[in-house]
Amino acid sequence: EPEVTQTPSHQVTQMGQEVILRCVPISNHLYFYWYRQILGQKVEFLVSFYNNEISEKSEIFDDQFSVERPDGSNFTLKIRSTKLEDSAMYFCASCFLNTEAFFGQGTRLTVV
Amino acid sequence: GIQVEQSPPDLILQEGANSTLRCNFSDSVNNLQWFHQNPWGQLINLFYIPSGTKQNGRLSATTVATERYSLLYISSSQTTDSGVYFCAVEILTGGGNKLTFGTGTQLKVEL
Repeated sequence: EPEVTQTPSHQVTQMGQEVILRCVPISNHLYFYWYRQILGQKVEFLVSFYNNEISEKSEIFDDQFSVERPDGSNFTLKIRSTKLEDSAMYFCASCFLNTEAFFGQGTRLTVV
Repeated sequence: GIQVEQSPPDLILQEGANSTLRCNFSDSVNNLQWFHQNPWGQLINLFYIPSGTKQNGRLSATTVATERYSLLYISSSQTTDSGVYFCAVEILTGGGNKLTFGTGTQLKVEL
């Protein structure tokens, strides 16, 4: 069964460093998303991406964040200068078109 | 924005018991999904149910879109059912059909 895959599963980084979280969405899907979940809280929307551009972003998704689909399979989230409060589980998701969204297993980011 | 409230926030069950989890939302939605977040943090799809009733083994779900709520039924609960259950709703926007998650129900099933 097709699935969304994310790497790495866990990343520890020092405050101020850049991190790139990687995702491979399901191959025939058209919409791609990043969400985050701070420990013990609910899952929050960050950004959606369609047709090679951002279609919507939340207030959380400030200038420190960027997304890219560098080739036909990968979808990345970059945080330019990490802060302690960026520590969270980051989920990638994809869906075809107005259909069920599928989530990756998540990347747990720890900023120290 | 749309508000999504889940109840109860916490639930402890004895193995074999049945339970009902509720999700209320404040506006019309295009889509509703139920997820189980396991102890490793993974979000497992349970149901894609914008309306009507679906069943999958011991789990079933019902969404009454006109009354803005959805229910998740767990029958004959097992310890592996423990975790957090989220509902998430999608509204049509000019952008990309983002999901708005509820506050979650933390379920613990004990022997």
